[in-house]
Amino acid sequence: DSGVTQTPKHLITATGQRVTLRCSPRSGDLSVYWYQQSLDQGLQFLIQYYNGEERAKGNILERFSAQQFPDLHSELNLSSLELGDSALYFCASSPGALGANVLTFGAGSRLTVL
Amino acid sequence: SQQGEEDPQALSIQEGENATMNCSYKTSINNLQWYRQNSGRGLVHLILIRSNEREKHSGRLRVTLDTSKKSSSLLITASRAADTASYFCATDDSGGGADGLTFGKGTHLIIQP
Repeated sequence: DSGVTQTPKHLITATGQRVTLRCSPRSGDLSVYWYQQSLDQGLQFLIQYYNGEERAKGNILERFSAQQFPDLHSELNLSSLELGDSALYFCASSPGALGANVLTFGAGSRLTVL
Repeated sequence: SQQGEEDPQALSIQEGENATMNCSYKTSINNLQWYRQNSGRGLVHLILIRSNEREKHSGRLRVTLDTSKKSSSLLITASRAADTASYFCATDDSGGGADGLTFGKGTHLIIQP
């Protein structure tokens, strides 16, 4: 157990739907990162939050949004889902926002869009 | 965008042999990390090497970094069946780019018993 908790583990939904993925970071970590992993694109950085504020943005689609709450848990919202959104979504956490951040990953949420 | 690229994409060796994986990257970095991922699971951090370091060891792992060639290698000595996994290099961009930690596509390592 890495200390980073992601729910749900598996999610099957239909095109056009909206889903929310949840992440609780490791105790003491202030930064949360979201990554998307698919076979063809590899591991893509989506977005980072640090202590409730958006810190860095990567290849996140406009249909996707995220936030980090005062208790530091984070949610990734995916809307108007397309077949190509099927992927493993990982949350990771780290103590700080900058510097040599070692990421601790959760087990991932596997999203299947039918 | 993919900063690091691992080579080879896949590697199959006999248990007990050494496994070497390479990573090339494009821009200046603060540090480079290696992670392991067992099938369908989360990534696990293995080792971090800073841009001013050339070599680092951790147990059976040896990492080298050549910033002039923008490349790194990960050597796993005396491989075991449990080392079967995908290995990713990840770079921390010193240019201040908003890419988080950028991962390559990984090397899939298979250790044959």
